[in-house]
Amino acid sequence: EIVLTQSPDFQSVTPKEKVTITCRASQTIGSNLHWYQQKPGQSPKILIKYASQSISGVPSRFSGRGSGTDFTLTINSLEAEDAATYYCHQSSSLPFTFGPGTKVDIK
Amino acid sequence: QVQLVQSGAEVKKPGASVKVSCKTSGYRFIAHYIQWVRQAPGHGLEWMGWIDPNSGGTNFAPKFLGRVTLTTDTSNTSAYMELSRVTYDDTAEYFCARAGGGAGDFWGQGTRVTVSS
Repeated sequence: EIVLTQSPDFQSVTPKEKVTITCRASQTIGSNLHWYQQKPGQSPKILIKYASQSISGVPSRFSGRGSGTDFTLTINSLEAEDAATYYCHQSSSLPFTFGPGTKVDIK
Repeated sequence: QVQLVQSGAEVKKPGASVKVSCKTSGYRFIAHYIQWVRQAPGHGLEWMGWIDPNSGGTNFAPKFLGRVTLTTDTSNTSAYMELSRVTYDDTAEYFCARAGGGAGDFWGQGTRVTVSS
């Protein structure tokens, strides 16, 4: 089973600041890595698929990059509504797995 | 528009079974796998398995093998997840999600399953 680790676990950020979240896979997964945002009491929402592909309707301040084992999600100019937990998810190898999540709080 | 609507909350006693439904609409049902993901209170997301509505083929995370059954009803464009022999550790929110390739591109609203004696 592929293990995904995320860093940091938690980040407290001021509005307009740039946020970078890292996801590392225990073995190479190509570009089969997706990012989700989850707010309390809500279902996860996809932000980025296949490492860097944007999703219709998702603000352009969210971007992803990486391949192989190392991936990043960047939020440019954080807004208050971006307070949430962010998860990475690999679909390279069954069973699919999620990272433990990164909680982003607004100062 | 694509929608996945799940059944309501359930309360079960230890050892019982629970079945959650996921009614889909707005897309060609057999063209996309359905994934099932759960989230225990205060914890992260856990991938349980997925089903191909076209063939009925399934794959599961090892910890759920033998205890989870995934089915679909193509006439009703619905997917079902049945979890047997539940324990207190199975208390969680259960989500269905349409798989766009491997990504969960549309999600149900979640179904809270509480295991309590």
